[in-house]
Amino acid sequence: QVQLKESGPGLVQPSQTLSLTCTVSGFSLTSYSVHWVRQHSGKSLEWMGRMWSDGDTSYNSAFTSRLSISRDTSKSQVFLKMNSLQTEDTGTYYCARNSGGSYFDYWGQGVMVTVSS
Amino acid sequence: DIQMTQSPASLSASLEEIVTITCQASQDIGNWLAWYQQKPGKSPQLLIYGATSLADGVPSRFSGSRSGTQNSLKISGLQVEDIGIYYCQQASSAPYTFGTGTKLELK
Repeated sequence: QVQLKESGPGLVQPSQTLSLTCTVSGFSLTSYSVHWVRQHSGKSLEWMGRMWSDGDTSYNSAFTSRLSISRDTSKSQVFLKMNSLQTEDTGTYYCARNSGGSYFDYWGQGVMVTVSS
Repeated sequence: DIQMTQSPASLSASLEEIVTITCQASQDIGNWLAWYQQKPGKSPQLLIYGATSLADGVPSRFSGSRSGTQNSLKISGLQVEDIGIYYCQQASSAPYTFGTGTKLELK
């Protein structure tokens, strides 16, 4: 069955770089896009960016040039890297599979990231 | 960016009651609208896509409708398992934006 699972450090120091991995199973990254979505505690959801099935990427301009998404299709993994982290970047980070149209039909469990010294 | 204004922010309803949540887009998004349910400590789950299409495995008491730039999610007969936070999302253009959420509680 379709599964996505995020992994990465739970604690990152301010100004440092966040690196997260989304490991997928049950589908191919060359057939489906994968998105990254963030949620601040008790708040709504924020779309960060997308790895398209052809390897192209799209980003939310709110993250300017801080964000980078890449993948390793042989390992069925999508990576998120975001630099210059601040306390406002604290939250839960999800990866989600794209269904037809830019909807998110399967989500990972999320990984909680705290930015603190 | 397209703004999604969702109302109400919170809602208390009784079992079997009919519940309606609305979501207003700041510009025309056509039918590019989804609804998600999020239970405490869990990931969001897709309920409705394309404004009116039910996602796989979602009970038929959930339905979506659209009138111009206003979309609505209706639960026809609230059940205990429907308690949670509901979000709308526009899929018309990036950045894909979400509503602020509606917290649904049992009265």
